[in-house]
Amino acid sequence: EAAVTQSPRNKVAVTGGKVTLSCNQTNNHNNMYWYRQDTGHGLRLIHYSYGAGSTEKGDIPDGYKASRPSQENFSLILELATPSQTSVYFCASGVRGNTEVFFGKGTRLTVV
Amino acid sequence: GDSVTQTEGLVTLTEGLPVMLNCTYQSTYSPFLFWYVQHLNEAPKLLLKSFTDNKRPEHQGFHATLHKSSSSFHLQKSSAQLSDSALYYCALSEGGSSGNKLIFGIGTLLSVKP
Repeated sequence: EAAVTQSPRNKVAVTGGKVTLSCNQTNNHNNMYWYRQDTGHGLRLIHYSYGAGSTEKGDIPDGYKASRPSQENFSLILELATPSQTSVYFCASGVRGNTEVFFGKGTRLTVV
Repeated sequence: GDSVTQTEGLVTLTEGLPVMLNCTYQSTYSPFLFWYVQHLNEAPKLLLKSFTDNKRPEHQGFHATLHKSSSSFHLQKSSAQLSDSALYYCALSEGGSSGNKLIFGIGTLLSVKP
């Protein structure tokens, strides 16, 4: 089965600090995604990528940057973390947009 | 832009009764539709995907039919089981060369009771 690994799994950050969430997939998938999950909002797309070197804005990109340095790795960067960014973040990968995507186990981020 | 609407936030059922979770969508193109399921403290995973022809996808007793005329992809099961309790997401992808964006609805929490 496709493997998507997120690190860290839990993170407590201070307001104004920089946070980097990492995602690695060993499936050679083209597409990778970052979502945040919040009660009442479901899974909301922050950034996505369709290959190394590409990043695209999702539906809620403000306050987030993304980096895809290689096929395997896709990072989400919070330059100035705020308490409103407290959430569970999921990374996912897939071959193309119209095929199954595979999710990592999630990162629980708390900004205090 | 594209969007997915799931009108029920919580559905509570008694075991053995039929399940129907609603999903409607808006898209400029002819999208692919998906249902993902997320059990407690687990990652979401694919349950069903729409086909380009008229086949009806089925998995674990669940099925869904893509109705382009009403822009709907409702999830159904004839008899709910306790193990079906989970969070269900409907999702949309445009497909084709521009089909890299995958959008989810807000999710429906299904609670099946004895």
